[in-house]
Amino acid sequence: GESVGLHLPTLSVQEGDNSIINCAYSNSASDYFIWYKQESGKGPQFIIDIRSNMDKRQGQRVTVLLNKTVKHLSLQIAATQPGDSAVYFCAEIPNSGGSNYKLTFGKGTLLTVNP
Amino acid sequence: DGGITQSPKYLFRKEGQNVTLSCEQNLNHDAMYWYRQDPGQGLRLIYYSQIVNDFQKGDIAEGYSVSREKKESFPLTVTSAQKNPTAFYLCASSIVRGGRTGELFFGEGSRLTVL
Repeated sequence: GESVGLHLPTLSVQEGDNSIINCAYSNSASDYFIWYKQESGKGPQFIIDIRSNMDKRQGQRVTVLLNKTVKHLSLQIAATQPGDSAVYFCAEIPNSGGSNYKLTFGKGTLLTVNP
Repeated sequence: DGGITQSPKYLFRKEGQNVTLSCEQNLNHDAMYWYRQDPGQGLRLIYYSQIVNDFQKGDIAEGYSVSREKKESFPLTVTSAQKNPTAFYLCASSIVRGGRTGELFFGEGSRLTVL
């Protein structure tokens, strides 16, 4: 969802549960999407990417789903662990097949995992 | 170890002073970026460079300047013209062609506070 002012969307889950983090994008020309994880006081780290010719991509404990019809992206984390607690950002690149590789980041979602 | 090194980690500045944030990478990446992050916000692109001696303005370049004299280095100067410079600044690098062009490698960030 949208963040308002200084407040990030937040998601609180129990350890071991699955987490789903959502992201809406608005640029119809975006054809490459990436999820990043940012732990407190650190720089973001790449998690997984997906191109627009795919609907789903799986990694280790993570799955990204892309719905181009409604311009929606989600990140699913299986068996969420305390180490997964972080801010998660989606990012998009329009017309990535050309020379453009300038990412636009979303505002982020704060995931808190309760032991 | 390969990576991105930003310095200083914390910096305090008086109003009216210019400050320069250092960013060095030994990943042999052609592209480098500077992002600004404010509390509860996503990352906003300040400047980026695809090749030595060339750089482009991002979405919020006003009050900032950069140089790219060496492939490994992309320093950012926050000038006195930047009206609200207190923020967390992140430097990143990436490949330009092939592989995961959306995969940015970030430094640990520099936190600038204007007194």
